Amino acid sequence: KQEVTQIPAALSVPEGENLVLNCSFTDSAIYNLQWFRQDPGKGLTSLLLIQSSQREQTSGRLNASLDKSSGRSTLYIAASQPGDSATYLCAVSYKSGGYQKVTFGTGTKLQVIP
Amino acid sequence: EAQVTQNPRYLITVTGKKLTVTCSQNMNHEYMSWYRQDPGLGLRQIYYSMNVEVTDKGDVPEGYKVSRKEKRNFPLILESPSPNQTSLYFCASSSRGWDTQYFGPGTRLTVL
Repeated sequence: KQEVTQIPAALSVPEGENLVLNCSFTDSAIYNLQWFRQDPGKGLTSLLLIQSSQREQTSGRLNASLDKSSGRSTLYIAASQPGDSATYLCAVSYKSGGYQKVTFGTGTKLQVIP
Repeated sequence: EAQVTQNPRYLITVTGKKLTVTCSQNMNHEYMSWYRQDPGLGLRQIYYSMNVEVTDKGDVPEGYKVSRKEKRNFPLILESPSPNQTSLYFCASSSRGWDTQYFGPGTRLTVL
């Protein structure tokens, strides 16, 4: 069974700092990995999607990498801002019973201090 | 505006009273799914639908039913709700497979 772990569970950094969030998964036979942002009381917003054949994806100040062989992904946030404060979740999709299932990590709660 | 809508947003009910949470998307997406989010457990997939012809169980399907009669709608049905189904529920959709996901705003359900 696929398990997804995110460490740390919470992170507090001063504004302007570059930071890395980690995501690890147990089964490397994935279709893709997706990073999400969740604001309190809100739904999830997709940030980056990395297909299994890709090594990284970039969007603005965000860069996500994928190392399938080691079962790891990182989300790099450059020059953090208070508006980046949110919970960040990663999720992997994988083949199960002929179809496609997904498992989420429990998230990293980020606080960027002005 | 492209969006996923869920109704109701908040619901308090009693044990055993059947309820339906609706989900609708206006993006002509093939893939739709339901999740529940609980503290310490994260999001867990309840059911998903690859298209109107294919629906399958996720990791926590017990006590739930779904229906995909039209592409745009994917209601979640609780035939006999129990207190352990108190949770925050999200519907999501994507164009095909588990691609870039678009989430609804969530439905907070309390079963007394």
